Amino acid sequence: AQSVTQLGSHVSVSEGALVLLRCNYSSSVPPYLFWYVQYPNQGLQLLLKYTSAATLVKGINGFEAEFKKSETSFHLTKPSAHMSDAAEYFCAVRGRGANSKLTFGKGITLSVRP
Amino acid sequence: GEEVAQTPKHLVRGEGQKAKLYCAPIKGHSYVFWYQQVLKNEFKFLISFQNENVFDETGMPKERFSAKCLPNSPCSLEIQATKLEDSAVYFCASSQGQSNQPQHFGDGTRLSIL
Repeated sequence: AQSVTQLGSHVSVSEGALVLLRCNYSSSVPPYLFWYVQYPNQGLQLLLKYTSAATLVKGINGFEAEFKKSETSFHLTKPSAHMSDAAEYFCAVRGRGANSKLTFGKGITLSVRP
Repeated sequence: GEEVAQTPKHLVRGEGQKAKLYCAPIKGHSYVFWYQQVLKNEFKFLISFQNENVFDETGMPKERFSAKCLPNSPCSLEIQATKLEDSAVYFCASSQGQSNQPQHFGDGTRLSIL
């Protein structure tokens, strides 16, 4: 069984500030981990993925995440927030097997203050 | 195509009516997944397909929900005798054959049950 915990439902930062969105996972097998972003009335867009290669993963729009097995974490960061980053962010875990489903966290709303 | 195409974008039904949603996966993707998103968070897995074969239907409320993926046709998700609690956004996703590949999401169908 797999699960994802995203602590807190809302994060607010000032424009230009560091963005840190936390994600912890539980998995009985080495996981594949993903961060998705959802803008209003849209589907999910892939930000980045961890698939057991490099532990520091760079994604689109300046985001990156670091896989830490000892902490079972996959936190998402961006050095400098932009107004356009305001959205819902979902961390997800996927097991091994081509047909395995995604298990999502509850999501975090990121607000960016001018 | 290069995107997952879901139709319709919005669907309104009276309680007890039937609702049918469609999904065209990305060309070349063998795996299709349906998820239900209630209240802008909480993605719930419904069902997955490998080509036209059901792989995992553990999330489906079987008494009213059914789904198909037939050759040369869009996949479909059908809800018989809809209930108010079925109001949600239904997302379809597709992926290639490797489990480390991400799932690509459509923009969803917003189902409103009145």
